[in-house]
Amino acid sequence: SQTIHQWPATLVQPVGSPLSLECTVEGTSNPNLYWYRQAAGRGLQLLFYSVGIGQISSEVPQNLSASRPQDRQFILSSKKLLLSDSGFYLCAWSRPPATEAFFGQGTRLTVV
Amino acid sequence: DQQVKQNSPSLSVQEGRISILNCDYTNSMFDYFLWYKKYPAEGPTFLISISSIKDKNEDGRFTVFLNKSAKHLSLHIVPSQPGDSAVYFCAASPGAQKLVFGQGTRLTINP
Repeated sequence: SQTIHQWPATLVQPVGSPLSLECTVEGTSNPNLYWYRQAAGRGLQLLFYSVGIGQISSEVPQNLSASRPQDRQFILSSKKLLLSDSGFYLCAWSRPPATEAFFGQGTRLTVV
Repeated sequence: DQQVKQNSPSLSVQEGRISILNCDYTNSMFDYFLWYKKYPAEGPTFLISISSIKDKNEDGRFTVFLNKSAKHLSLHIVPSQPGDSAVYFCAASPGAQKLVFGQGTRLTINP
């Protein structure tokens, strides 16, 4: 069966510090991978998605970047965090042609 | 530009009654629609989906209805149970590449 791992579960970082969130998927190959953010009281905003190694599509211009160094690894990064980067970050995967996406447990990021 | 909208931020329903959650979309390219359920501090879990070639899909207590002409979909839960209390997100996809989510509706089932 397929599983998705996302870590850390919670993170408190000072403004201006770097960020690296990692997500890995097991039990499948060539998945589509996604990073979403849920800000307080808001819906799920798609940040990045990837259909293959090294292929990244950015949905919203912002202070963040994503990379996919391996087939089942997706990394969300920032060089300098802003207060507005606080939120709940979710990694997800899907296996085309199916559309259903399956989510990790999320990372609660607080920038102070 | 909010392409998927859930205009009711919250809904309260008595246990045993029907819960109806609504969602509207604007993009005609969406061809697949999904509902997710989310508990606090957890990732959303997939609930039910419907293709644009259908107008209804049923799975146990959950039924999703799609009205393409109105660009509207709804999720019916009957009978509602206390464990159904959660935030529900509708999502839409333009061709199996990405999902666009609504803002969510918090459903509370009262005993």
